[in-house]
Amino acid sequence: NAGVTQTPKFQVLKTGQSMTLQCAQDMNHNSMYWYRQDPGMGLRLIYYSASEGTTDKGEVPNGYNVSRLNKREFSLRLESAAPSQTSVYFCASSATHQGDPWSVVYDTQYFGPGTRLTVL
Amino acid sequence: GDSVTQMEGPVTLSEEAFLTINCTYTATGYPSLFWYVQYPGEGLQLLLKATKADDKGSNKGFEATYRKETTSFHLEKGSVQVSDSAVYFCALRATGTYKYIFGTGTRLKVLA
Repeated sequence: NAGVTQTPKFQVLKTGQSMTLQCAQDMNHNSMYWYRQDPGMGLRLIYYSASEGTTDKGEVPNGYNVSRLNKREFSLRLESAAPSQTSVYFCASSATHQGDPWSVVYDTQYFGPGTRLTVL
Repeated sequence: GDSVTQMEGPVTLSEEAFLTINCTYTATGYPSLFWYVQYPGEGLQLLLKATKADDKGSNKGFEATYRKETTSFHLEKGSVQVSDSAVYFCALRATGTYKYIFGTGTRLKVLA
């Protein structure tokens, strides 16, 4: 049981290059998330996916695209990298279940080990 | 909007000292509250959580009590070890939402 895995662990890009960060989870979770972590700013949500084929923008989505092709995998793409995207990127997943008929209950988020990205 | 405020770090303690890391929050309703820990080079791991007022979360000797009246969720440990050196994040999740609001993190360094 690997939990949440991310690749690559480290990446250096030049301004304007593109790349895709990969994330996979083996816990059968419905919800998946992409965050970025910057010094002094905690974690900020980039995108969220409630299920296969659905995605929602988070707090800082500009410059990123995501893809949730199946339940296990959730990828983050930088089409044209900028120095402002230098950061550590974390993927997370959580289970969800129906609470009362009007609400969804979101369980604890589990995080991957992160990808450290530097854009020169 | 919702927010989480943590004490600034770094916090440096000697082994076996008492630890308190302050966390206060602003939120409507009754959010769930969390402490996550991040060891060097790793992702965040859930340390403990509390889902309603007066609940106490505990794990690995760490404790935090959900105080609605003071909107606080301070992390405490009676005797820290060198292995507790890490960054600690306080977070909240409003009821019925997937969105977590994280504090900026507090770095703890424990010296032998």
